[in-house]
Amino acid sequence: EDKVVQSPLSLVVHEGDTVTLNCSYEVTNFRSLLWYKQEKKAPTFLFMLTSSGIEKKSGRLSSILDKKELSSILNITATQTGDSAIYLCAGRHGSSNTGKLIFGQGTTLQVKP
Amino acid sequence: GAVVSQHPSWVICKSGTSVKIECRSLDFQATTMFWYRQFPKQSLMLMATSNEGSKATYEQGVEKDKFLINHASLTLSTLTVTSAHPEDSSFYICSASRRAQYNEQFFGPGTRLTVL
Repeated sequence: EDKVVQSPLSLVVHEGDTVTLNCSYEVTNFRSLLWYKQEKKAPTFLFMLTSSGIEKKSGRLSSILDKKELSSILNITATQTGDSAIYLCAGRHGSSNTGKLIFGQGTTLQVKP
Repeated sequence: GAVVSQHPSWVICKSGTSVKIECRSLDFQATTMFWYRQFPKQSLMLMATSNEGSKATYEQGVEKDKFLINHASLTLSTLTVTSAHPEDSSFYICSASRRAQYNEQFFGPGTRLTVL
């Protein structure tokens, strides 16, 4: 059965701290791993990772995939209160062109001033 | 951009009634649309995958007759919750993939359904 597991489930930090969120996956015919940020409504796309060992970066956020370990991490440096959200990772199932995503439980990040 | 809209954004209905939720891709053609359900403090659970012009593929445990999905055009998919019950109260989110970029999904803003 396809499964994506995130850790920790929740995290409280102070502004300026650096956080690392973890995601491990077991997805049939794995094609890619995606990270999303969800605030009050629908998730917004952060990164899509398909190749192992290549870091993707966007501002203070970065992410990398390790296909050997079936895992990915999302780093946020110099956190701000606006980073408070649920961070979701999802493994993309690759048996067809449907792009089916298997989501993890999410990590709830709270950044305190 | 790749904008996906949902309507309504929230709905309250009585137990036993049916509710239709629309998902539209506003500026692109969506060959595939996905419907998710999210309970409070839980992750998104895929309910079904729908391809334009064909029947939806439902995930295990999702009742086809209760959650009717129609994807009649490349820009519109609908989810109808039939004979809704309080346990169907949830946040329903759709996403859409473009023909040429099927590995990216663009999410709608979601619909909050409350069944009394």
